[in-house]
Amino acid sequence: GNSVTQMEGPVTLSEEAFLTINCTYTATGYPSLFWYVQYPGEGLQLLLKATKADDKGSNKGFEATYRKETTSFHLEKGSVQVSDSAVYFCALIGSTGGFKTIFGAGTRLFVKA
Amino acid sequence: EAQVTQNPRYLITVTGKKLTVTCSQNMNHEYMSWYRQDPGLGLRQIYYSMNVEVTDKGDVPEGYKVSRKEKRNFPLILESPSPNQTSLYFCASSPDSPYQPQHFGDGTRLSIL
Repeated sequence: GNSVTQMEGPVTLSEEAFLTINCTYTATGYPSLFWYVQYPGEGLQLLLKATKADDKGSNKGFEATYRKETTSFHLEKGSVQVSDSAVYFCALIGSTGGFKTIFGAGTRLFVKA
Repeated sequence: EAQVTQNPRYLITVTGKKLTVTCSQNMNHEYMSWYRQDPGLGLRQIYYSMNVEVTDKGDVPEGYKVSRKEKRNFPLILESPSPNQTSLYFCASSPDSPYQPQHFGDGTRLSIL
């Protein structure tokens, strides 16, 4: 079945550092890919998405490119802020077999001032 | 205010005592879904519903039931709860499908003793 693998956390960075959170997936066909963010004590919020190969999703300085050749959707941000501290989830919805949403295990990010 | 409301927010109960977690959204969304969040496993989808009277299993439906008799409500029923269902539960909704941003509730923390 479909699956998502994220890099283990926590990731600890200093303010203004470059962020990469790796996400790879296994799926048949052409899934849609998402990054969600969960701030402490809250539900998840959609951060960005991409629905076809080579699409780049972007929002709030974050971006991720749908790479079908490497089955990856890595999240990047050029300069993180303390307010970016949260848990980040990569997710996919397959193009076959219904509309199940598959999430990765999540990567916790701490940003120090 | 547009929101997804879950009740209760916290519940401690005992094995075998039937319980229902309610979920209601005021955005006239067609798609609704239930997830459970466990450390190291991320979010796993329990059930989802594309519209009234249309429900489908997610990845971990065993031990749970749902119903969608009206558009705004999507209750999660645990007929005979067991300790392995102790978890943080989230309800989510989106306008038409999970390809659009899913709006999450604040979560329900269940402890089954």
